[in-house]
Amino acid sequence: SDELTQPPSVSVSPGQTARISCSGDALAQKYAYWYQQKSGQAPVLVIYDDTKRPPGIPERFSGSTSGTMVTLTITGAQVEDDGDYYCYSVATSGNYVVFGGGTKLTVL
Amino acid sequence: QVQLQESGPGLVKSSETLSLTCSVSGSSITSTGYYWGWTRQPPGKGLECLGTIYYTGTTYYSPSFSSRVTMSVDTSKSQLSLKLSSVTAADTAVYFCARHKRADFWGGYPTDWGQGILVTVSS
Repeated sequence: SDELTQPPSVSVSPGQTARISCSGDALAQKYAYWYQQKSGQAPVLVIYDDTKRPPGIPERFSGSTSGTMVTLTITGAQVEDDGDYYCYSVATSGNYVVFGGGTKLTVL
Repeated sequence: QVQLQESGPGLVKSSETLSLTCSVSGSSITSTGYYWGWTRQPPGKGLECLGTIYYTGTTYYSPSFSSRVTMSVDTSKSQLSLKLSSVTAADTAVYFCARHKRADFWGGYPTDWGQGILVTVSS
């Protein structure tokens, strides 16, 4: 079961701001991480520790947190940002980690 | 630059044991800053973390798989291994190995991934 809940899909036009949410009780105490996955490829870390951006990730990617919800924001989304996005953190019910169900971002 | 490469049979019969190996290069598998993990992705579906292992052999398995999964590490060969027993068609998936950076929770978070290997379970 998804202990981290994400919307199945988000759609924006190029240049608009895309926001993808992830909710879970553990997020109030534990960091969240965000991964981008393009078709047929391995996931790529785009945000860690709720708000930090790894080297090489464009500045248009940012993360925020509020209580039990975290949000990935892509400011000025580009066509190449199209793909699936997954949040990752600690499960509410136990001492293990989980991925959210994933959100398909469409930029067109 | 760390590189991870999964290998193993691409086809496994139902009720048998799936066995995969992940070869690690460019990073010491005994580094204290990292765990090593396995994640899978059924066709058209999301990511599922099976569990992680520390170089000492300490393992953390996700509850959904804990009764069927075994992970191990061979530091002399710089390899990880995954065994998943009693497989069914539902275990058909792309299996990824990954290096996980240590965090304030066990298992850490994946930072570097292998390309993945598709394993199909046949009846």
